[in-house]
This record gives sequence, structure tokens and C-alpha cells, in this order.
Amino acid sequence: GIQVEQSPPDLILQEGANSTLRCNFSDSVNNLQWFHQNPWGQLINLFYIPSGTKQNGRLSATTVATERYSLLYISSSQTTDSGVYFCAVEDLTGGGNKLTFGTGTQLKVEL
Amino acid sequence: GAGVSQSPRYKVAKRGQDVALRCDPISGHVSLFWYQQALGQGPEFLTYFQNEAQLDKSGLPSDRFFAERPEGSVSTLKIQRTQQEDSAVYLCASSSGPSYGYTFGSGTRLTVV
Repeated sequence: GIQVEQSPPDLILQEGANSTLRCNFSDSVNNLQWFHQNPWGQLINLFYIPSGTKQNGRLSATTVATERYSLLYISSSQTTDSGVYFCAVEDLTGGGNKLTFGTGTQLKVEL
Repeated sequence: GAGVSQSPRYKVAKRGQDVALRCDPISGHVSLFWYQQALGQGPEFLTYFQNEAQLDKSGLPSDRFFAERPEGSVSTLKIQRTQQEDSAVYLCASSSGPSYGYTFGSGTRLTVV
């Protein structure tokens, strides 16, 4: 099956700092989503982004499908950004029905 | 409803007991998914419904796991004869379709003792 690797595995930031999270995947995809899992376990969909660039407030994401990677940018980080960020993909053999999640990036934002 | 609702929020089961976990998706969402998340790991796919049809159950770990969505809305994940390795958070998600993002519920944390 498709492999998904995320880096870095852990990240500590001071409030106000910027960061870039990376997701590499081993095969072509037709579905890529970024999620934030907060400390209470709730998974929040940040972006549906199989290709191109999207922005939502302080967050933006870029997927370069031909090179099999996606980046999530967090600007002016806040303590509420803490949690685990997951990249999840589905390869082209699927029908949008089975996401494979990476192992996540654990982010802690400190005052 | 406004979001995906799962119940119970927490469940402690004795080994060998049967459990039933409920998911109420966003109204009108055709697609419904169940995922299992072990501690410290990403969610893993269990099964997928399109309306009432279970189109993919390749992720169910054994025949003790069974899922249904009889009227195309609420879904139930049933685990028979629970084992300690079944302890995990069970997440339900719904979507308008393949080209849309998922909305996850808060999950059910199952602990088998």
C-alpha cells in the first residue's frame, strides 16, 4: 500500500514563530487532506488539497503532486495550534474511500 | 446535525463482552467511515459506507468486527467477544463525497480489561 511519511516527528515553537510541516507519499494520489488533532483528541479537517495551494487564515498548504509531497505552513503560531498534525492520502486505485494516515507531527507551542 | 456525533464517549468492557458503538453523521452526508486509532498512532481505516451500502470492509481486523448503516444515516460498529488488543479510539467520519474533506466525530475510547 501507499506509504506516508511526515517530518519532523516533534516540534516545539515559541508563540509567534512560523513553521513548515512536510508530508511525503510513495505513490500518486487523488485525495490528500491535512488534519489537526487537538489535545482532547478531536480531529479537525484543515485542508482538502490533492494538488495546488490553499490558504485559510494563518494556515496554508501546498501539494506538489508530481513530486509526491505536501507542505503545511503555520504562521504566527499560537498555543491553541498545539496538537498533532496528520497528513492523509489515498492513492489512485481508490475511489476516495480509504485514507492512509501518516504518523503525524506533534507540535507544542509555548508562551 | 451540526457535526458528527459518536456515543458513548468512553466504554470500558470486560474481555469477552460485546460492545456497540454509535455514529450519527452530518445530515445528508452520503459517505461514512470508521477508523481505529491506537495510542500514539494515526487513524487506520476500518470500513466505508455509501448510503446504506458497505462498499469496503477491508480494514476490519477480524470477523468479530461488524458494521452496519441500515437506513443510510446512523451507523453502528459492533465488536463481539472483545479482546485487550481491541482497546483504541474508534473514530467515525462523514463526507459529502470523494472530492470533499472528512468531518470526524470526537471518537469512542474503548478500554478492554
